[in-house]
Amino acid sequence: AQKVTQAQTEISVVEKEDVTLDCVYETRDTTYYLFWYKQPPSGELVFLIRRNSFDEQNEISGRYSWNFQKSTSSFNFTITASQVVDSAVYFCALSEARGGTASKLTFGTGTRLQVTL
Amino acid sequence: GAVVSQHPSWVICKSGTSVKIECRSLDFQATTMFWYRQFPKQSLMLMATSNEGSKATYEQGVEKDKFLINHASLTLSTLTVTSAHPEDSSFYICSASAWGGRSTDTQYFGPGTRLTVL
Repeated sequence: AQKVTQAQTEISVVEKEDVTLDCVYETRDTTYYLFWYKQPPSGELVFLIRRNSFDEQNEISGRYSWNFQKSTSSFNFTITASQVVDSAVYFCALSEARGGTASKLTFGTGTRLQVTL
Repeated sequence: GAVVSQHPSWVICKSGTSVKIECRSLDFQATTMFWYRQFPKQSLMLMATSNEGSKATYEQGVEKDKFLINHASLTLSTLTVTSAHPEDSSFYICSASAWGGRSTDTQYFGPGTRLTVL
């Protein structure tokens, strides 16, 4: 069975601080995908990143960066120089990689990030 | 690219009535669509997986006769909540997976539909 744990329920930071959101996962699949989604107050889930289990290279996109460590089953997400617009609930998710068709997503419980001025 | 819409964005209905929610992939063909339910301050709960032209696969504990899902085309799936009751009030979110390409195994989410049953 798959499981995703986001131990941080809520995080509050002041604007311009860096913040890291933790994600730990469990799976018996040899190939899988990891995702991060952002859910702002409007409710829509915004896709941020997909990482294949074969690709442990860290990724940076603007102020966002992701650290995938297979050895510790973690896929952490860092926001550098946070902004008020980053305030949202962030979900980490896991799916089997079946190739050619989407598999069910197993979501973590989410981390609510509050960025204040 | 990969835009998913939902209609309506919110709906209020009386207990006992049925409500239909549409999920459309606007700029891609979706072989698979998923329906989720989310309660306040909770994570998403998968209700069912819908493949174009075939019957939906429901998760354990989800009543298929109450939550009717139809995936008639590669761009449209509908969820009908039949004989809705106050406990069905929730935020319903659909997602769609693109056909082919690098994003095949990625789910793109609609904006959600907030259902309130009085």
